[in-house]
Amino acid sequence: GENVEQHPSTLSVQEGDSAVIKCTYSDSASNYFPWYKQELGKGPQLIIDIRSNVGEKKDQRIAVTLNKTAKHFSLHITETQPEDSAVYFCAASPTYNTDKLIFGTGTRLQVFP
Amino acid sequence: NAGVTQTPKFQVLKTGQSMTLQCAQDMNHNSMYWYRQDPGMGLRLIYYSASEGTTDKGEVPNGYNVSRLNKREFSLRLESAAPSQTSVYFCAARLGETEAFFGQGTRLTVV
Repeated sequence: GENVEQHPSTLSVQEGDSAVIKCTYSDSASNYFPWYKQELGKGPQLIIDIRSNVGEKKDQRIAVTLNKTAKHFSLHITETQPEDSAVYFCAASPTYNTDKLIFGTGTRLQVFP
Repeated sequence: NAGVTQTPKFQVLKTGQSMTLQCAQDMNHNSMYWYRQDPGMGLRLIYYSASEGTTDKGEVPNGYNVSRLNKREFSLRLESAAPSQTSVYFCAARLGETEAFFGQGTRLTVV
């Protein structure tokens, strides 16, 4: 089945710096790759997603890139702010069952003022 | 419009006790999910339901049962709780291959 690996598990950056989180997936035909942000005491919320027919997608300070050949996708946050501090999860939907949504192990991002 | 609502928010059980975690969504989404979240292990899929009347095992189904009562409700049952089931449980709802909406979570402790 689909396996999603995420790195790093923790990431500390200075305010204003960029942060990059990487994920790899096992099902080469997977089509949908979302990223979620989880703030303390809350459920995860979608921040950006990308489909396999697109190589990059941006939304203000957040971008996601997809490399289908290497089977990895990355979240890029530019000009980080303290409110970006949270746990970030990547996920993938396997093609054999698009109803399934498999998550990575999460990255705790800390942005220091 | 509440989205996805989970009850209870907190629960302490003794080993061997049973309980049901409730989840309801008001978004008319077809798919519903139960995940557990443990430190360092991310969100692991327990069971999911692609539509009313169907349920399927996820990555870690042992020790759990589910019921998709109707389109709105998807419950998770622990028949005989074990300390290894201490976790934060999240329910989610989704329409096709799109955004999943999560509830606020249930923090369960089994002593």
